[in-house]
Amino acid sequence: SNELSQPPSVSVSPGQTATITCSGDKLGDKYVCWYQQKPGQTPRLVIHQDSRRPSGIPERFSGSSSGNTATLTIGGTQAMDEADYYCQAWDVRTATFVFGTGTKVTVL
Amino acid sequence: QLQLQESGPGLVRPSETLSLACSVSGGSISSSRSYSWGWIRQPPGRGLEWIGSISHEGSTSYNPSLKSRVSVSVDTSKNQFSLELTFVTAADASLYYCVRHPTTGGYGMDVWGRGIAVTVSS
Repeated sequence: SNELSQPPSVSVSPGQTATITCSGDKLGDKYVCWYQQKPGQTPRLVIHQDSRRPSGIPERFSGSSSGNTATLTIGGTQAMDEADYYCQAWDVRTATFVFGTGTKVTVL
Repeated sequence: QLQLQESGPGLVRPSETLSLACSVSGGSISSSRSYSWGWIRQPPGRGLEWIGSISHEGSTSYNPSLKSRVSVSVDTSKNQFSLELTFVTAADASLYYCVRHPTTGGYGMDVWGRGIAVTVSS
């Protein structure tokens, strides 16, 4: 299967840690990126190559990947982090991308 | 700073061909040897779907679910790249984004256009 599964929603209290998972077949063999999309806005890359942060992305965003699951962690979550988050995998063998189903993060 | 801007019709009739262009400013497609150019779409209220990409050398890759209907091309003389999607249906109504991404490795899509909304209706 070429699908990437994410939990539809994650709720977190301000200052706490939000964890978003992304699961897919042989995901560990692929590079994973994460995007943040706020309402009415264009997606923004927050993690690439499983765990690297682009310039300008706060240190509270971190990523990891192992086996069939990749994880985006937001430490010390702030109200401004409330958004939809999408994982994306790049298959080097086929040079194709696939997005995850998306997770809505709510900061309560 | 590199910027992308989508253009094209906002309304397409069922069974016809959707044609969109993405103009690149603040940089040159022809000099961006390490980058590819692609298209993403997002139906209203739903998730992101990669459509296809084209590399600097002209190699294309497409979403297997759309491959039979999609074509991505580059026009370096106009500094733009294009998307064609044939035989559209209501399911193709979406916000269409053009993007840039490094060709090799999972570096992600670092530059996005603002998107263009496409409706499919007779």
